Amino acid sequence: DGGITQSPKYLFRKEGQNVTLSCEQNLNHDAMYWYRQDPGQGLRLIYYSQIVNDFQKGDIAEGYSVSREKKESFPLTVTSAQKNPTAFYLCASSRGLYSNQPQHFGDGTRLSIL
Amino acid sequence: GQQVMQIPQYQHVQEGEDFTTYCNSSTTLSNIQWYKQRPGGHPVFLIQLVKSGEVKKQKRLTFQFGEAKKNSSLHITATQTTDVGTYFCAGPEETSGSRLTFGEGTQLTVNP
Repeated sequence: DGGITQSPKYLFRKEGQNVTLSCEQNLNHDAMYWYRQDPGQGLRLIYYSQIVNDFQKGDIAEGYSVSREKKESFPLTVTSAQKNPTAFYLCASSRGLYSNQPQHFGDGTRLSIL
Repeated sequence: GQQVMQIPQYQHVQEGEDFTTYCNSSTTLSNIQWYKQRPGGHPVFLIQLVKSGEVKKQKRLTFQFGEAKKNSSLHITATQTTDVGTYFCAGPEETSGSRLTFGEGTQLTVNP
């Protein structure tokens, strides 16, 4: 079955610690995205990548970093500079480089502060 | 920048009642997509509308795209408890390729 795998499902971060959220897809999609969702809120774009070795900031990139070394993988690092990281993080992918392609989402990672 | 707004933010209905959520964009859209997120789950793509005035149906769900391609609606006839969740519309960013701007969503609860 093709899909998007996010891990871990739950993650706890200590003060001053960087944590990395994993996102892997086997859909052979070119574009990948990271969204943050706070309780009862919509989806806010953190970073996105339309091709390997290239990525762009979204609306709330401060305190986050990404890499896209392989087509299948788009890990997100939540750095210690992100002062309010508690949220639900969703990774998504889409087939092409155009907006008429639906986005497929992973199951998400819930990040909390210890 | 582009804004996509949805109303209402919350809607509580009795099972069997109808439900409608509205989506409005500050700019003309080349297409609009609708997603559903069940409680505790992730968004799932429902449908895409492309043409001005387009209407598409999926069983009890009816999707419309406005004539000016700046607004859209989702109507559910005779809601069921399985319809519970948050419904998001999403439109493309004009200058950013595959990027979408999501509305804030309408959270639907259905009382049995």
